[in-house]
Amino acid sequence: EAGVTQFPSHSVIEKGQTVTLRCDPISGHDNLYWYRRVMGKEIKFLLHFVKESKQDESGMPNNRFLAERTGGTYSTLKVQPAELEDSGVYFCATGQGYNEQFFGPGTRLTVL
Amino acid sequence: ILNVEQSPQSLHVQEGDSTNFTCSFPSSNFYALHWYRWETAKSPEALFVMTLNGDEKKKGRISATLNTKEGYSYLYIKGSQPEDSATYLCAFRMTTDSWGKLQFGAGTQVVVTP
Repeated sequence: EAGVTQFPSHSVIEKGQTVTLRCDPISGHDNLYWYRRVMGKEIKFLLHFVKESKQDESGMPNNRFLAERTGGTYSTLKVQPAELEDSGVYFCATGQGYNEQFFGPGTRLTVL
Repeated sequence: ILNVEQSPQSLHVQEGDSTNFTCSFPSSNFYALHWYRWETAKSPEALFVMTLNGDEKKKGRISATLNTKEGYSYLYIKGSQPEDSATYLCAFRMTTDSWGKLQFGAGTQVVVTP
């Protein structure tokens, strides 16, 4: 069974540009979470989808971040416009229920 | 703001030695504690999900214990091997986070030298 996949693996952009990250969940996993790890710090929760609905957006840092999950399958996280402090590793995790989360390898975002 | 603390931040271990490290978390509103093993550029790998006070779980040479009353969990690696080198992350889930939101510690980076 394929695991959680994320694309791209690494993105380097300039401040002010737009970047879109993608997450493809394990088939059948209704729950999809986005997390972020800023250099040297802990992984922090961003938001949670159940199917196509946003269940909890409490971790989204500001309105420059927009997450979508059309059709309840893959999800995208758009950062527009990107700022220096947005640099970090963005993880996606999915689960069938709420007790286990399977993580993707992350997208390393570098904003110059 | 909840604090999930992991200590030490990093440790070096000789191959063959055993080691352990700590995750501390708030003792109130406990629902579950997760342990992950993470190598850079790879997916964090789920090791354990622990829910009951006194739980002990084992996977190969790695084991974990849980004390929810005092708010800590230990992860043990027996007979460390170079392939055990990774960052070990713990993540806490509160009873009020019914949808599964995890709060992570900063991790313990383990380096096993031959």
